[in-house]
Amino acid sequence: SQELEQSPQSLIVQEGKNLTINCTSSKTLYGLYWYKQKYGEGLIFLMMLQKGGEEKSHEKITAKLDEKKQQSSLHITASQPSHAGIYLCGADASSGNTGKLIFGQGTTLQVKP
Amino acid sequence: GAVVSQHPSRVICKSGTSVKIECRSLDFQATTMFWYRQFPKQSLMLMATSNEGSKATYEQGVEKDKFLINHASLTLSTLTVTSAHPEDSSFYICSAATGFLIDGNQPQHFGDGTRLSIL
Repeated sequence: SQELEQSPQSLIVQEGKNLTINCTSSKTLYGLYWYKQKYGEGLIFLMMLQKGGEEKSHEKITAKLDEKKQQSSLHITASQPSHAGIYLCGADASSGNTGKLIFGQGTTLQVKP
Repeated sequence: GAVVSQHPSRVICKSGTSVKIECRSLDFQATTMFWYRQFPKQSLMLMATSNEGSKATYEQGVEKDKFLINHASLTLSTLTVTSAHPEDSSFYICSAATGFLIDGNQPQHFGDGTRLSIL
């Protein structure tokens, strides 16, 4: 079965610093999703990547999917306290936009002011 | 944009009671709904897939008699935790999917989750 491995598991950065979170799949990805969550709350959709080499940006967050579609990275530029939370990568369990996802174990980000 | 409403957001009840959680897609018809469970400081684990009008498909290790799922319409799925015990305490979250991209962004939208605490 497919597995997603996220690294690092936790991260503490000083405000204003850049950071990168990685998500690696044991199999080729059909679709890769990045979400942000505060524990005990719902998921905030950040970005979806489907094509090899695809890169998307929203405000200070950039997500990339490698050409082989097995690894994705989430990069935050000039981090702010509002970026703190749990970042989850999710992947389609099969092709066809079924909506069924498997998730990485999450990366907890703390941003020190 | 697409909205999924999950209710209640929080429930506290005594051991042995049954608890029903509702998941509604408010502005789209969801052919499939998914139920996830999240333990503290852990990721979301898929529990079951719910298709309208048919029996739910449960993931390995999830007790179907413990977690009853009903998907009565294209906008409503319910998860009932039967005879709940403290070990069932967790954060439960649903998602609803149409089989194609919603708002051109993603094929599924998540509810805000339900925090279940069994005393």
